[in-house]
Amino acid sequence: DTGVSQDPRHKITKRGQNVTFRCDPISEHNRLYWYRQTLGQGPEFLTYFQNEAQLEKSRLLSDRFSAERPKGSFSTLEIQRTEQGDSAMYLCASTSDGGADTQYFGPGTRLTVL
Amino acid sequence: QKEVEQNSGPLSVPEGAIASLNCTYSDRGSQSFFWYRQYSGKSPELIMFIYSNGDKEDGRFTAQLNKASQYVSLLIRDSQPSDSATYLCAVNSPAGNKLTFGGGTRVLVKP
Repeated sequence: DTGVSQDPRHKITKRGQNVTFRCDPISEHNRLYWYRQTLGQGPEFLTYFQNEAQLEKSRLLSDRFSAERPKGSFSTLEIQRTEQGDSAMYLCASTSDGGADTQYFGPGTRLTVL
Repeated sequence: QKEVEQNSGPLSVPEGAIASLNCTYSDRGSQSFFWYRQYSGKSPELIMFIYSNGDKEDGRFTAQLNKASQYVSLLIRDSQPSDSATYLCAVNSPAGNKLTFGGGTRVLVKP
């Protein structure tokens, strides 16, 4: 399967714990995006990488959130000191420069904070 | 006013009929527009994208764009029960660096 992959698919954690999610984009895609989706809402943009550079961050991305893409390939999203309000589906998408700007989504990581 | 607005539905459609979904957006600088389908508990799946005013057809799906009215629509012809899902309208920022989604329209196709 050459699509976007995410790991883990599900994560249950206790409030105050740190969690880290991984995204592997489609191999030739240099742009990578993170979104968050809560029940009944559309996905909301969190952050965007072009190669290894993080070029934009949403105001939704509080100081407890950090994202990296160290070698311009896979990316990680870390949430520190999780809160119940962080419970959501975290989606990763990728696309390529000069393409149709069409973003392809991974299966998502569902986070539940108890 | 939300940046991208959709009727939340549910839109109930008999099998074989046409489902018509609408979306309005606020940023006149937006150049590319997308429709995604999302089944419950799954991630969004791209159905179509459209850049130019007018219609674009792909199988049973037709996307329509009117930039002057800031309006995008999706028609699903010969609706099937498997089309029952939430349909998300997404608008790319003028810089092309993020999608803004509407809240989605839930479609129910009844046999």
